[in-house]
Amino acid sequence: GDSVTQTEGLVTVTEGLPVMLNCTYQTAYSDVAFFWYVQYLNEAPKLLLRSSTDNKRTEHQGFHATLHKSSSSFHLQKSSVQLSDSALYYCALSYQGGRALIFGTGTTVSVSP
Amino acid sequence: GGIITQTPKFLIGQEGQKLTLKCQQNFNHDTMYWYRQDSGKGLRLIYYSITENDLQKGDLSEGYDASREKKSSFSLTVTSAQKNEMAVFLCASSIGTGYEQYFGPGTRLTVL
Repeated sequence: GDSVTQTEGLVTVTEGLPVMLNCTYQTAYSDVAFFWYVQYLNEAPKLLLRSSTDNKRTEHQGFHATLHKSSSSFHLQKSSVQLSDSALYYCALSYQGGRALIFGTGTTVSVSP
Repeated sequence: GGIITQTPKFLIGQEGQKLTLKCQQNFNHDTMYWYRQDSGKGLRLIYYSITENDLQKGDLSEGYDASREKKSSFSLTVTSAQKNEMAVFLCASSIGTGYEQYFGPGTRLTVL
């Protein structure tokens, strides 16, 4: 079946350093879209990035991700994290005709001074 | 823009009790969802509704009922609350299945 895998449950990083959150997927569908959601403590998840175009970089709020269908990945990166980036990040997959987004288990990012 | 409202914010019930969570959206979205959020397990789909009066089971529907009373509202009932169901329940909506979802702030369920 369709699935999304986020291998890291917790990533700790020092302020000012880069971070990459892994997201890989399995699906039989070719017409797919991918999302990164961010959830700050005691808040609702909200959309950070969206992409459906292979090999095209998408950017928002200093984060970027590129969908690579050849490696089934949509990793999230930031070159210099801030304390305010501490949050829970979800990767999600959708496909045309699908019933709902398929979410990964989430990665918590903890940024320390 | 729009907003999703979930009530109550905190829900405390006894084991075996029937409990209802409510969700309202003013996006005029057709599709609404209920997810359960457990630490380390991501967001698991309980029920969704493609349009008014439609109900579809998700992966975690056992022990839950849902009702789409009108386009803007979607309720979830825990039929017999259990301690292992303590979690945050998130409501979401979208213009259709497979599209970006907008989430509410959640209802935290505690079972005594």
